[in-house]
Amino acid sequence: ETGVTQTPRHLVMGMTNKKSLKCEQHLGHNAMYWYKQSAKKPLELMFVYNFKEQTENNSVPSRFSPECPNSSHLFLHLHTLQPEDSALYLCASSQAGDLGELFFGEGSRLTVL
Amino acid sequence: RKEVEQDPGPFNVPEGATVAFNCTYSNSASQSFFWYRQDCRKEPKLLMSVYSSGNEDGRFTAQLNRASQYISLLIRDSKLSDSATYLCVVNNPDTGRRALTFGSGTRLQVQP
Repeated sequence: ETGVTQTPRHLVMGMTNKKSLKCEQHLGHNAMYWYKQSAKKPLELMFVYNFKEQTENNSVPSRFSPECPNSSHLFLHLHTLQPEDSALYLCASSQAGDLGELFFGEGSRLTVL
Repeated sequence: RKEVEQDPGPFNVPEGATVAFNCTYSNSASQSFFWYRQDCRKEPKLLMSVYSSGNEDGRFTAQLNRASQYISLLIRDSKLSDSATYLCVVNNPDTGRRALTFGSGTRLQVQP
């Protein structure tokens, strides 16, 4: 059982659609992350939030828009995506400032048609 | 040069074998090192941290060589359940990042 829950687990969308990925953590952490995992590539850090404030945007295109309303919830809003954005999107959490252990959700597998 | 580089494998080994993976990192200022494990279609999970003096956790031994900028993971007496992708993970302080950088992973397949 994971303390980080992601929904939906699978998403298929067209390039003109708008959708959102949701992440919720039940671990009392105050840092949350979005990572992208494409086939045969390393996990790519997208965004970091510490205490609800975005502390890192790793040059992510504006068609990906994160939102962190509180320390337990993180969203990734998607619009006008490209087929190359198809990937597994992983949410993670940790204690802020602690680079020890990241706790990942099971991921949202996105396919852009 | 990639920040974190790993041999993708796959490493195919029989049960009971000893297998070792290496990983190189590019930033000499990195201070935190980890091995994560990712099962097929699952999320990554922390396997163990890597300490300067080397550390052991049961059948798993991790070592750090700062001079050569590599870390290693040794698995003794391999089990079928060890089959997974092993991710080398390093912090990268120079970029100001407060998150970790992952390697592409080394796939291990333990065969009966």
